[in-house]
Amino acid sequence: DAGVIQSPRHEVTEMGQEVTLRCKPISGHNSLFWYRQTMMRGLELLIYFNNNVPIDDSGMPEDRFSAKMPNASFSTLKIQPSEPRDSAVYFCASTRTGYGYTFGSGTRLTVV
Amino acid sequence: AQSVTQLGSHVSVSEGALVLLRCNYSSSVPPYLFWYVQYPNQGLQLLLKYTSAATLVKGINGFEAEFKKSETSFHLTKPSAHMSDAAEYFCAVSDRGVPGYGGSQGNLIFGKGTKLSVKP
Repeated sequence: DAGVIQSPRHEVTEMGQEVTLRCKPISGHNSLFWYRQTMMRGLELLIYFNNNVPIDDSGMPEDRFSAKMPNASFSTLKIQPSEPRDSAVYFCASTRTGYGYTFGSGTRLTVV
Repeated sequence: AQSVTQLGSHVSVSEGALVLLRCNYSSSVPPYLFWYVQYPNQGLQLLLKYTSAATLVKGINGFEAEFKKSETSFHLTKPSAHMSDAAEYFCAVSDRGVPGYGGSQGNLIFGKGTKLSVKP
């Protein structure tokens, strides 16, 4: 089991550019979560999916953020346009009935 | 609404000493509580969970936590700290059922974290 796989591990981009973060959940997991971690705000839930359907996106900061889960094995989090205040570590986690959350190693995003 | 408060953003102990990391929760329904550990530049790993069974929960790496409803607490302890325990620890509560443990799928609400340092 390769665990939850996130890519890229690090991303440096210029303000105004589009950024796409990717996540491959563990096979068989039916829920997927995107979190953002910063020193100031800690871990914040952005959005979560159940069976590929977005259930709660109330944590998405603004319209610049969007997330999709086109199938059970892939999800993306997109920021367009990016801003310096979006700099953070973004984590993806997945789970299924009977198991706890498994987190990926995160994507460290720096917007300059 | 559910929430957790972790008392102390930094805790420092000597190697071999008792580790005590504090977590208090607020929940309008019977809570499901979790402790996660995060090592530098890594994701979070589940240490242990409370899902309304035994109030004393044992986890990995010698950690345990006791659910005390009267005190709304779920403190994490380890009798003897090891250098490898240095990490950040997060307490979390489920906001709706137990995510991934049956019932409606909810999500975890995390505390701000406590960074544990272990001195030689």
